[in-house]
Amino acid sequence: LAKTTQPISMDSYEGQEVNITCSHNNIATNDYITWYQQFPSQGPRFIIQGYKTKVTNEVASLFIPADRKSSTLSLPRVSLSDTAVYYCLVDSGGGADGLTFGKGTHLIIQP
Amino acid sequence: DADVTQTPRNRITKTGKRIMLECSQTKGHDRMYWYRQDPGLGLRLIYYSFDVKDINKGEISDGYSVSRQAQAKFSLSLESAIPNQTALYFCATSASGGAVETQYFGPGTRLLVL
Repeated sequence: LAKTTQPISMDSYEGQEVNITCSHNNIATNDYITWYQQFPSQGPRFIIQGYKTKVTNEVASLFIPADRKSSTLSLPRVSLSDTAVYYCLVDSGGGADGLTFGKGTHLIIQP
Repeated sequence: DADVTQTPRNRITKTGKRIMLECSQTKGHDRMYWYRQDPGLGLRLIYYSFDVKDINKGEISDGYSVSRQAQAKFSLSLESAIPNQTALYFCATSASGGAVETQYFGPGTRLLVL
């Protein structure tokens, strides 16, 4: 089981780029890295997923170094609506091992 | 996600009562999950089911039971509710077969046990 570690909370300001790093030192060869976003009183929703190097979509970018022991979620030009909890998961899709959301990172965006 | 629905959305009950939370999905996914969320503790897995005939305990299954009535329906029961089961409950679904799964969550059920 590849346990993940992320900061409990982060603060930033509107218009800034925010980077949230997740450590997963015991990641296995078959594991992918997935990030979810959760707004208050809502279920988490998928943001981005990757295996190595860089992945980019309309919402965020995910940077994964060659050793894959960490990953960084990058949110460009954040707004107040990006205030949420962000979860990093490591999963190979073969069972419930990857279904551990942990406490996530509470990102607070200020005006 | 409107494809995953939970009923009821809010429920107040008393200690010792039996209650059922229901989850339905129209995504055609084979895998379904129940989580609970407490303030400051993230989401914890209660039970999960990889198909209709498959039921597995998660991290915190004590005091709960589940039933997978059909591929699209997965219900969670509290046989005798207690106050520390007060929490926000989420149902989720995913599809097997891909390299890795993406889970889709329902809107949640807020449960208060008095």
